[in-house]
Amino acid sequence: EVQLVESGGGLVQPGGSLRLSCAASGFTFNTSWMYWVRQAPGKGLEWVANIKPDGSDSYYVDSLKGRFTISRDNAKNSLYLQMNSLRAEDTAVYYCVRDGGQQWGQGTLVTVSS
Amino acid sequence: DVVMTQSPLSLPVTLGQPASISCRSSQSLVYSDGNTYLNWFQQRPGQSPRRLIYKVSNRDSGVPDRFSGSGSGTDFTLKISRVEAEDVGVYYCMQHIHWPHTFGQGTKLEIK
Repeated sequence: EVQLVESGGGLVQPGGSLRLSCAASGFTFNTSWMYWVRQAPGKGLEWVANIKPDGSDSYYVDSLKGRFTISRDNAKNSLYLQMNSLRAEDTAVYYCVRDGGQQWGQGTLVTVSS
Repeated sequence: DVVMTQSPLSLPVTLGQPASISCRSSQSLVYSDGNTYLNWFQQRPGQSPRRLIYKVSNRDSGVPDRFSGSGSGTDFTLKISRVEAEDVGVYYCMQHIHWPHTFGQGTKLEIK
């Protein structure tokens, strides 16, 4: 069974940092593109970033470039999202997503507030 | 960015009746390999999104055959032949040929 399990969310003050993790199992992680997608409370879905299977390249929504960094450790079947200089508008549920949206994790809530 | 425009945004449907959601993209979604990278997702209340349809018309495993996708180029449709109570939720189209990948605004399906 394919599983994507996110962790690392929580309450953080504006300007702070968080690192999200996603543990993957049940599929060949090192051949899969992986993504982060977020959903602000009561809003729609927004693509955040994605990363190639070997981790050699990654892509970001323009508005997040320089603040967020996606990475992966294929030896640990894990995906990460380092989020810096967090703002109130980054408050959302962050989903770990496999290649083309074929599987989604349960999401982890990030709340940016003082 | 490629803009994905869904309509309607709200869709009240009587149980057992058909439903249809339109999705239009601001650019062609046909890739050089000949495939069209347009997917449909369902998000039930309180749940993560679930992919229903990939590459326009291919149903994912476990998706009931009352769901079907069609379209080409920039114009796509998700149809539900007979709506059931478990179909309540928000439906999104998504393109993943152009970066950044983009979603439609979502269509909220409810039972009339």
